[in-house]
Amino acid sequence: DVQMTQSPYNLAASPGESVSINCKASKSISKYLAWYQQKPGKANKLLIYDGSTLQSGIPSRFSGSGSGTDFTLTIRSLEPEDFGLYYCQQHNEYPFTFGSGTKLEIK
Amino acid sequence: QVKLLQSGAALVKPGASVKMSCKASGYTFTDYWVSWVKQSHGKSLEWIGEIYPNSGATNFNEKFKGKATLTVDKSTSTAYMELSRLTSEDSAIYYCGRTTVAVDYWGQGVMVTVSS
Repeated sequence: DVQMTQSPYNLAASPGESVSINCKASKSISKYLAWYQQKPGKANKLLIYDGSTLQSGIPSRFSGSGSGTDFTLTIRSLEPEDFGLYYCQQHNEYPFTFGSGTKLEIK
Repeated sequence: QVKLLQSGAALVKPGASVKMSCKASGYTFTDYWVSWVKQSHGKSLEWIGEIYPNSGATNFNEKFKGKATLTVDKSTSTAYMELSRLTSEDSAIYYCGRTTVAVDYWGQGVMVTVSS
């Protein structure tokens, strides 16, 4: 199985700042990486797929980059509602696997 | 709008089985795969498998073969997952999701607690 190593584990930032979350695959997954946001009491939300394609309805302050084994989710100009857990997932080969998650706290 | 409504929480005894549902609305049920994902308490997400409602075709994580059974009822646009021979390791939240290349819409999750 493809192992997904996500970093950092925790992240704290202030509104208006930019943050980046990294995800490293144990083997090349081409561009096939998705990013999700998880918040208590809300359905998980797909943010990015295919490495850099913004899901419909997601604000443009979210962006994804990378290919092969190294990927990054960047959130520019943080909003208070951006707190939560973020997960990467490779959707290149079965079984699809997730990173361990990054908890983003708003200062 | 797309919605996936999952069944309620379940408390089940070790060794028993549990069957949960995921009712889809707002889109053509048979056109999209439905994925199932496990999240143990305080942990990350694990992909269990997926089913294509139109044909019943499935793909599974080897880890969950023999544990999870995926079915659909096209007449009610509902997907089901049954977990068998439950142990404490199966206590978790289980999500269903509409899947294109990734899971673009998620259900609210079903908490399953395995306890005697």
